[in-house]
Formats: sequence, structure tokens, C-alpha cells
Amino acid sequence: DTEVTQTPKHLVMGMTNKKSLKCEQHMGHRAMYWYKQKAKKPPELMFVYSYEKLSINESVPSRFSPECPNSSLLNLHLHALQPEDSALYLCASSQAPGRRQETQYFGPGTRLLVL
Amino acid sequence: AQSVTQLGSHVSVSEGALVLLRCNYSSSVPPYLFWYVQYPNQGLQLLLKYTSAATLVKGINGFEAEFKKSETSFHLTKPSAHMSDAAEYFCAVSDGGGSQGNLIFGKGTKLSVKP
Repeated sequence: DTEVTQTPKHLVMGMTNKKSLKCEQHMGHRAMYWYKQKAKKPPELMFVYSYEKLSINESVPSRFSPECPNSSLLNLHLHALQPEDSALYLCASSQAPGRRQETQYFGPGTRLLVL
Repeated sequence: AQSVTQLGSHVSVSEGALVLLRCNYSSSVPPYLFWYVQYPNQGLQLLLKYTSAATLVKGINGFEAEFKKSETSFHLTKPSAHMSDAAEYFCAVSDGGGSQGNLIFGKGTKLSVKP
């Protein structure tokens, strides 16, 4: 099974709201990723977790706060977002961090709209 | 540093015609290359990847790609297009620098298939 699940599928939030995105995988993967994808653009890497520790933060604003409670679960906490943060948020996982030949498996994404 | 360039942001073919999507890479280390497909409102799905085992790589849904070092290319082909192939296609190279294993995406090519 190569499935990465993400909830919710769609999310609408105001600029003062706090919400969370959830990502789960049960493949035993030890690297997990958050990407942001705007329309007609490739995914942009936001965060990388390696063995449940944050290893890469691509200069993401602090209104995005990632969390990895265990090896199967990845959350993205959202607070005080701006309309330009509206995008598709993708989660991915791969078996081992730092190995260039590893395949990243993507979830279906959460479509976020910030009003 | 690694990068990929996808030639043509939009390719249109007739059903049954050859599909050719172009990807050229730049890499300071032996590259690991990937093709992903993204259907509307979905996540990315791996089509195939090159990891130096064989220069002709066969993937899912009848797609294949040939690694040509002399041309620094990894073009994606399919002999006969189906309507269901209409999607966005991303070529990616695995980072060989300080962020090993992270994907560097091309800008994507949208494939349209005419009946």
C-alpha cells in the first residue's frame, strides 16, 4: 500500500481562524514533507521531517507551524493566514531521508481558501 | 546544483497520437530523475523514475522515458494517447546538494488530448 491520506479535502478559513491540516501514512516511511502548490505551478517545498525531527524549513512564515507527533502523522497548523496563502497543500512521504533515489509518495492534497 | 527544464508548458495531441513531453536536466552529480503526473484536483502520482539501472525506463499507463546523458535529457513518451492521459506532467531531479533527496521540479507541461 503506497497511500498517503490528507484531511480535510477542502478548507475555507478566515484570516483570524486557527485550523490544522492532517497527513497520515502507514508505509513505515521516515521522511515526510509539506508542499504548497499554486494554480498552474509546480509544488514548492515548505518543510521536511526526518525521523520525526524538522530538518528543513524553506523560510516559511511563522503563521504555518508544522508538527510531527509520531512517525505516521504530520500536521500543519495554520493561524492568521493571508488570502495569498490560498493554495493546494500537499503532503508526501519517502522511505528514508536524504537518499536521492527514494520515491516521494504524495497525498491528494487539501485545497485551502483564505477569505 | 540541480535543475530541470520542461520545454513546452502546453502540449496538445490527438487521441491515438504519439505523446512526447520534453525534460532536460542539469546536475553536478549523477542524476536521479522522476516523472510525476497530476490529474485535476489531485496529488502527484509517480509515473517512472531513473536511478541509473537502465537508460530506458518503463512506467505505468504505457509511459516510458529514455535517459540520454549526452543530451542531458529524460523525455517522456507514450506511443498512443488516450483521453485519460490529459493531465499536468512534472519532471523532477533529486537534489544532490545539502538537501539530498529533495525534489527539484520543472514548471510542468499540461497535456491535452483531442478526440
